[in-house]
Amino acid sequence: NAGVTQTPKFQVLKTGQSMTLQCAQDMNHEYMSWYRQDPGMGLRLIHYSVGAGITDQGEVPNGYNVSRSTTEDFPLRLLSAAPSQTSVYFCASSYRGYQPQHFGDGTRLSIL
Amino acid sequence: GQQLNQSPQSMFIQEGEDVSMNCTSSSIFNTWLWYKQDPGEGPVLLIALYKAGELTSNGRLTAQFGITRKDSFLNISASIPSDVGIYFCAGSNSGGSNYKLTFGKGTLLTVNP
Repeated sequence: NAGVTQTPKFQVLKTGQSMTLQCAQDMNHEYMSWYRQDPGMGLRLIHYSVGAGITDQGEVPNGYNVSRSTTEDFPLRLLSAAPSQTSVYFCASSYRGYQPQHFGDGTRLSIL
Repeated sequence: GQQLNQSPQSMFIQEGEDVSMNCTSSSIFNTWLWYKQDPGEGPVLLIALYKAGELTSNGRLTAQFGITRKDSFLNISASIPSDVGIYFCAGSNSGGSNYKLTFGKGTLLTVNP
């Protein structure tokens, strides 16, 4: 049982490039979410999904897109990378939204 | 939006000492969670609290859901070197479609062997 799998683990982009961060879970969880973690800021919610075909914005959604075509996958897209998006990105999931979330190990993204 | 104040921001203690940290909120939550994050990894759930006044233990860890529903506390007894990491509190209000967790900014714990 792999849990929540994020790929890649590390990535360096140039300003203006686009990229998709992958997240997959094998626990049949309905709820999935993306957070970014910056020093001294804790974890901030970017987007979340309560089920396939349903997504909504979190606290810091600007510059990011998501879609949820399957229960298992919840990719995060950076449309035009900016240095301010340098961060560690975590994907999380839970069976239901109100239940504790399980986190992946993160993607460390640097935008030059 | 909801804000969580987590304190202290960091702690530097000797092995064997007890540790206390807390979170306070500007509004009510009906769920409080405590996570630990080791370097280079994602947060791992330590304790979940679902009822005001609830006191729950997980080994040397004990957490409490405050009576006012606006705060929560985490205690670690007899700390050991592997307790090192960042501890996060998180709160949420279940119901409807509002399934958002709000996180505190974390407490960085360093344990001197």
